[in-house]
Amino acid sequence: GNSVTQMEGPVTLSEEAFLTINCTYTATGYPSLFWYVQYPGEGLQLLLKATKADDKGSNKGFEATYRKETTSFHLEKGSVQVSDSAVYFCALSDGNEKLTFGTGTRLTIIP
Amino acid sequence: GAVVSQHPSRVICKSGTSVKIECRSLDFQATTMFWYRQFPKQSLMLMATSNEGSKATYEQGVEKDKFLINHASLTLSTLTVTSAHPEDSSFYICSASDPTSGSYEQYFGPGTRLTVT
Repeated sequence: GNSVTQMEGPVTLSEEAFLTINCTYTATGYPSLFWYVQYPGEGLQLLLKATKADDKGSNKGFEATYRKETTSFHLEKGSVQVSDSAVYFCALSDGNEKLTFGTGTRLTIIP
Repeated sequence: GAVVSQHPSRVICKSGTSVKIECRSLDFQATTMFWYRQFPKQSLMLMATSNEGSKATYEQGVEKDKFLINHASLTLSTLTVTSAHPEDSSFYICSASDPTSGSYEQYFGPGTRLTVT
């Protein structure tokens, strides 16, 4: 079956540091890949997505590239801000509308 | 963009009572809605998939008689937790997909925190 493995947190960084959150997946076929962000007490918001190999999703300074050869979709940001503190979820969809989520990575940015 | 609302945002109920949570797509018609449960510091667990006008499809291990799902219209799905117990306390999140978007992207509601005392 499908699965998503995410780097375990929590992750704590200083403001303006470089961020990487690793995500690898197992799926049949060619899934679409997503990063969702959940701010405290809120539901999930789509951060970025990629639907085919070598696509790069980007939003709010975050980027992730769909790497079929390594089955990865790592999230990166060059300079994080305190407002980026949240829980980040990697997810995939293999075309049947269901999303498979990773366990989430809690990110805390300190000033 | 597509907006999904949930009501209530927080609810406290006594053990043995039932509570209903509403999920609405505000600016699009959602043929499919999903209900998730999230435990503290854990990922989302898909409970069921509901399609307008038909019975919900429950994931393995989810009690359909306890978690009643009704997708009465293209903009409204409800989750009723029947005979709630403290172990049902959790964060419940719904999502909806917009078929006109050309993708299976899901739009999430803000969640409902249920506390059973």
